[in-house]
Amino acid sequence: DVKVTQSSRYLVKRTGEKVFLECVQDMDHENMFWYRQDPGLGLRLIYFSYDVKMKEKGDIPEGYSVSREKKERFSLILESASTNQTSMYLCASSFLRQLNYGYTFGSGTRLTVV
Amino acid sequence: AQKITQTQPGMFVQEKEAVTLDCTYDTSDPSYGLFWYKQPSSGEMIFLIYQGSYDQQNATEGRYSLNFQKARKSANLVISASQLGDSAMYFCAMSHAGGTSYGKLTFGQGTILTVHP
Repeated sequence: DVKVTQSSRYLVKRTGEKVFLECVQDMDHENMFWYRQDPGLGLRLIYFSYDVKMKEKGDIPEGYSVSREKKERFSLILESASTNQTSMYLCASSFLRQLNYGYTFGSGTRLTVV
Repeated sequence: AQKITQTQPGMFVQEKEAVTLDCTYDTSDPSYGLFWYKQPSSGEMIFLIYQGSYDQQNATEGRYSLNFQKARKSANLVISASQLGDSAMYFCAMSHAGGTSYGKLTFGQGTILTVHP
């Protein structure tokens, strides 16, 4: 069964901490994405990557960075966590040229910054 | 820029009835894809249906159909014979199909569907 795995389901961090959210996919997908989900706002794209070491800013990249050193792994980094980054974070992946196959999502990481 | 709008924050439907969830989109790209996802209370995102911008026929997947009206830029989801298990959040989304943003997926705000017995 194809899978996108996010390293933590729940995470509590302190303001100012550096936070790493990890995502691994086993489907050989080229594209990988990080979204945050907030009530009433839907899913908003933070960053995406279409190849190793490549990254593109999404709609809300401020306060975040990403790393993709291997095809299967895409990390989201909060350089200095703030309370307004408390949210549900979802990772997704897809084939680059077969968008009709859909995007596969991880189960999400609910991050609370205190 | 691409934009997806879902104007129904919440919808109610009786079990076994059909329901339509609205979605309108805005894009200047001639090539794009439209998706619907279901998110139950467990939080997982479940892919339901896809419609390509050049597809002539409306997409169907079991009880789900996508009413694609290109001129009106709408991509409504129709669920026939609703079941209690259909109660969930539903998201409409659109993918870029050109340029450096190829594959980027933009979501609407979501609609919470509640199915009553």
